[in-house]
Amino acid sequence: NAGVTQTPKFQVLKTGQSMTLQCAQDMNHNSMYWYRQDPGMGLRLIYYSASEGTTDKGEVPNGYNVSRLNKREFSLRLESAAPSQTSVYFCASTRGAGAGDTQYFGPGTRLTVL
Amino acid sequence: TQLLEQSPQFLSIQEGENLTVYCNSSSVFSSLQWYRQEPGEGPVLLVTVVTGGEVKKLKRLTFQFGDARKDSSLHITAAQPGDTGLYLCASRIGAGGNKLVFGAGTILRVKS
Repeated sequence: NAGVTQTPKFQVLKTGQSMTLQCAQDMNHNSMYWYRQDPGMGLRLIYYSASEGTTDKGEVPNGYNVSRLNKREFSLRLESAAPSQTSVYFCASTRGAGAGDTQYFGPGTRLTVL
Repeated sequence: TQLLEQSPQFLSIQEGENLTVYCNSSSVFSSLQWYRQEPGEGPVLLVTVVTGGEVKKLKRLTFQFGDARKDSSLHITAAQPGDTGLYLCASRIGAGGNKLVFGAGTILRVKS
């Protein structure tokens, strides 16, 4: 099992460009998440999908859109990148929302917006 | 202001020393999780504590959930260089507990 995979691993964009970050999990998990991590701020939730066919906003959704393509895949799109979106992006998945349910994280995508 | 406040922000110690890091909140949580993150990788779950006053041990790591379920601590005995990393606490919030909120983390460096 690969767990949670993310592509690309690194990306440099110019202000105003668009891109899509891809995430896939092979653990048959119901819920998937997108976080961003900035120095001194921990991980902040951008969007999540509690189950296939649903998506909801997290703490910092502005400037982002998501698509739960199927149970395995959850993509994050930046329509018009801004320097404030320079960050490390992590995708995660979990079977459910119970206390015993573990979130499994991907290796991250390091995005720089010039 | 973050929902979960972690302290200290940074800790640099010698191999063999003991240390404690803290996770505090003004809110009551149904459960709390501790993660460890190594450079260039995603966080990995270490433990989940659920009951007020609960103590869990994972080799040299001891996790405690406060009686009032508002705070937690992580104690490492005889730290080793392999313990170096970012330690994050997190808890579920929102309807259904689908959202996980994280503290800013404690960066631990253990020197040999």
